[in-house]
Amino acid sequence: KNEVEQSPQNLTAQEGEFITINCSYSVGISALHWLQQHPGGGIVSLFMLSSGKKKHGRLIATINIQEKHSSLHITASHPRDSAVYICASSGGSSNTGKLIFGQGTTLQVKP
Amino acid sequence: EPEVTQTPSHQVTQMGQEVILRCVPISNHLYFYWYRQILGQKVEFLVSFYNNEISEKSEIFDDQFSVERPDGSNFTLKIRSTKLEDSAMYFCASSDQGHHLVEQYFGPGTRLTVT
Repeated sequence: KNEVEQSPQNLTAQEGEFITINCSYSVGISALHWLQQHPGGGIVSLFMLSSGKKKHGRLIATINIQEKHSSLHITASHPRDSAVYICASSGGSSNTGKLIFGQGTTLQVKP
Repeated sequence: EPEVTQTPSHQVTQMGQEVILRCVPISNHLYFYWYRQILGQKVEFLVSFYNNEISEKSEIFDDQFSVERPDGSNFTLKIRSTKLEDSAMYFCASSDQGHHLVEQYFGPGTRLTVT
């Protein structure tokens, strides 16, 4: 059974800081997803990656398949980045698109 | 931009009552999912659905739960006899393909409160 763990659980940063959120998983997977959950509850997909690195604006996601580890980086953080960031895995023992979620990292960026 | 919609946004029901949560996936998507998030906990997979059949379901998805695509646009989750522990946020998601290397698009969620 795949377990997805994130760290830290909570993160407070000052505006402009470089932020890293980590995610590890216990078994081989096909893809790792990073999602953002807003205070109202809605979930938005940020990245899906199966190898290497992806960048979108100030967000960068990396994955190391051998180490079963992924990171989400936010450069030049801004208060509007405040949200819950969740990693989720797909694949592994499942042959559907089922996602297994981590517990989320609550990020607060202060001005 | 196409989006997944869910109704109602908030449902309050009494224990033992049946509830139906509704979702309208993105129109050209064929793969549909329900997830739930109990307050303060992880998002959990409930069920995946394709071609009018359940593809995969979790241990949570017992006989009290059912899913249906009654027409070409709606995708519903029914809970037959609600329990207090069914109180959660329920998210519908859809994708245009059913394998693991595809992004899923989530609806805004329905908050279910069972009293």
